[in-house]
Amino acid sequence: AQRVTQPEKLLSVFKGAPVELKCNYSYSGSPELFWYVQYSRQRLQLLLRHISRESIKGFTADLNKGETSFHLKKPFAQEEDSAMYYCALLTGTASKLTFGTGTRLQVTL
Amino acid sequence: DAGVIQSPRHEVTEMGQEVTLRCKPISGHNSLFWYRQTMMRGLELLIYFNNNVPIDDSGMPEDRFSAKMPNASFSTLKIQPSEPRDSAVYFCASREFAGELFFGEGSRLTVL
Repeated sequence: AQRVTQPEKLLSVFKGAPVELKCNYSYSGSPELFWYVQYSRQRLQLLLRHISRESIKGFTADLNKGETSFHLKKPFAQEEDSAMYYCALLTGTASKLTFGTGTRLQVTL
Repeated sequence: DAGVIQSPRHEVTEMGQEVTLRCKPISGHNSLFWYRQTMMRGLELLIYFNNNVPIDDSGMPEDRFSAKMPNASFSTLKIQPSEPRDSAVYFCASREFAGELFFGEGSRLTVL
């Protein structure tokens, strides 16, 4: 069965410090992975997807099939990055999207 | 388009009462998902529909939970009878095939 693991519930960093939010997945097929973000009092929204290989708001994520990981990275954290981040895995022909438990990123001055 | 619309935004009820949460997906989207969000378990997929047909309801906690999608523009999630442990934020989301998943603002349920 597919599974997404985000080992950290809370990650606290200083403004300007590098950020890495960890995500590991378990799936026997070919994975498609996403990062979603939920800012305070807002709805969940797509941040980026691995097939697009783009950088959004300075964030990047590389799919590492050998390590079954899809970590989210940003070289310099900003206050406005404080939010809840969810890693998600798309599987199956019926397009089931499974989320991890989420990591709260807190950027402090 | 106003996006995915959920109602009610907040619901406070007493244990044993029936709760009905509603969702209107984005027009043209053919997949609809119901998720439950809690601090301990994050986002859990309860059930999803493709073209109004339930595909996977393995995430529905127990028989007290049921979901329907009578047409392409409306879905309900019902809890009967409700229990305090059902307190959570329930999200509805929709997408086109292979497209981005769009979420509603959620329905915050409190069962006393």
